[in-house]
Amino acid sequence: ETGVTQTPRHLVMGMTNKKSLKCEQHLGHNAMYWYKQSAKKPLELMFVYNFKEQTENNSVPSRFSPECPNSSHLFLHLHTLQPEDSALYLCASSQDASVAGELFFGEGSRLTVL
Amino acid sequence: QKEVEQDPGPLSVPEGAIVSLNCTYSNSAFQYFMWYRQYSRKGPELLMYTYSSGNKEDGRFTAQVDKSSKYISLFIRDSQPSDSATYLCAMRRAAGNKLTFGGGTRVLVKP
Repeated sequence: ETGVTQTPRHLVMGMTNKKSLKCEQHLGHNAMYWYKQSAKKPLELMFVYNFKEQTENNSVPSRFSPECPNSSHLFLHLHTLQPEDSALYLCASSQDASVAGELFFGEGSRLTVL
Repeated sequence: QKEVEQDPGPLSVPEGAIVSLNCTYSNSAFQYFMWYRQYSRKGPELLMYTYSSGNKEDGRFTAQVDKSSKYISLFIRDSQPSDSATYLCAMRRAAGNKLTFGGGTRVLVKP
């Protein structure tokens, strides 16, 4: 596999469920990102991990919990979400978050909260 | 006021026409400017990357940056139906890798 892979591609969950989104990159990068893309809104940066350390939390509610066990894997744990959290969640990677460089995006996980 | 403004469209053009896209921004600290293309049900992919002011050309694509006006543009010549997608502008400061995105413009190129 190449690039940035996200699973699942689609997820429907109730407000009381707990689920996780997974991201894996095969590019040898050291930085990984979670973005949220809602209809008619700009991409919103949620979290940044650089060399497995969280370097950015963009005031994200605690019902979203990221985990980065190594530089190749990134998770987003979801619990007690709200309907307004329905969106496309995009994972991205880059060589190093502290320097300018191209972001490579996955295809996203489409989340629907009922 | 949003940091980056982009007309959502849709922008509909006939095949072969020139597509003209633009973004305005308010933060003069932005130094790097990018255009991403996002097909339906796909993630964004980088199209063009420019630093500071000036023009950059890559095949049918030309990116322009006017920092004095805080205005960036993307032109697509000889547009094809395969160019139908949402185009996102993005920009960042000199340090770090935190991008600020526009909302995207949906482009439809009709055969």
